Amino acid sequence: QVQLQESGPGLVRPSQTLSLTCTVSGSSMTGGGYYWNWIRQRPGKGLEWIGSVSYSGSTFYNPSLRSRLTISMDTSENHFSLKLSSVTAADTAVYYCAAGGYGDYADWGQGTLVTVSS
Amino acid sequence: QSALTQPASVSGSPGQSITISCTGTSSDVGKYYLVSWYQHHPGKAPKLIIYEDSKRPSGLSNRFSGSKSGNTASLTISGLQIEDEADYYCSSYAGSGTWVFGGGTKLTVL
Repeated sequence: QVQLQESGPGLVRPSQTLSLTCTVSGSSMTGGGYYWNWIRQRPGKGLEWIGSVSYSGSTFYNPSLRSRLTISMDTSENHFSLKLSSVTAADTAVYYCAAGGYGDYADWGQGTLVTVSS
Repeated sequence: QSALTQPASVSGSPGQSITISCTGTSSDVGKYYLVSWYQHHPGKAPKLIIYEDSKRPSGLSNRFSGSKSGNTASLTISGLQIEDEADYYCSSYAGSGTWVFGGGTKLTVL
């Protein structure tokens, strides 16, 4: 089983860049065929897949966020990151990192609330 | 890429069975054998309960089962228990490395 922990600022100003890191333990990021994902839940809404980075470093993005989104991985630090630029209040959400095979997110972080506000 | 369609809420009594539907299109649910289901208790991390349409993770109760017909996937929970009360989400592969969730269904165990 993989353990995941999100970290990053809980408050981001509008128009700034939201940056989060997910630290991975219990597995190598390049072994096991894992996909490393970011998923969010806006207040009162359902889950939304943001994007992922594969064990080989390939990235995949939600088309609705693609223009503002960068997901990367640092295998030396065993973590992967999310950067979402030009944020607005609509980006306020609980952000989860999750890992698993192709589309089955078997392991999740506890989630971190990010509020976009001035 | 549109969200998959789920009923907003379902309810059942302890011991009963319920089914939650998840309707997509021929470009996602109907095209790939890659529908997953998640149980989400508010304030906790979601939990995988079904993957690849109908497979259960190791150790998960066989009260949970998944199926699919055409563009609609279904999650059935039999022998409802109080602790099953939660939000349930389906997810499907949508092509080109992307994934889409359903809007979620709130299960109330009366």
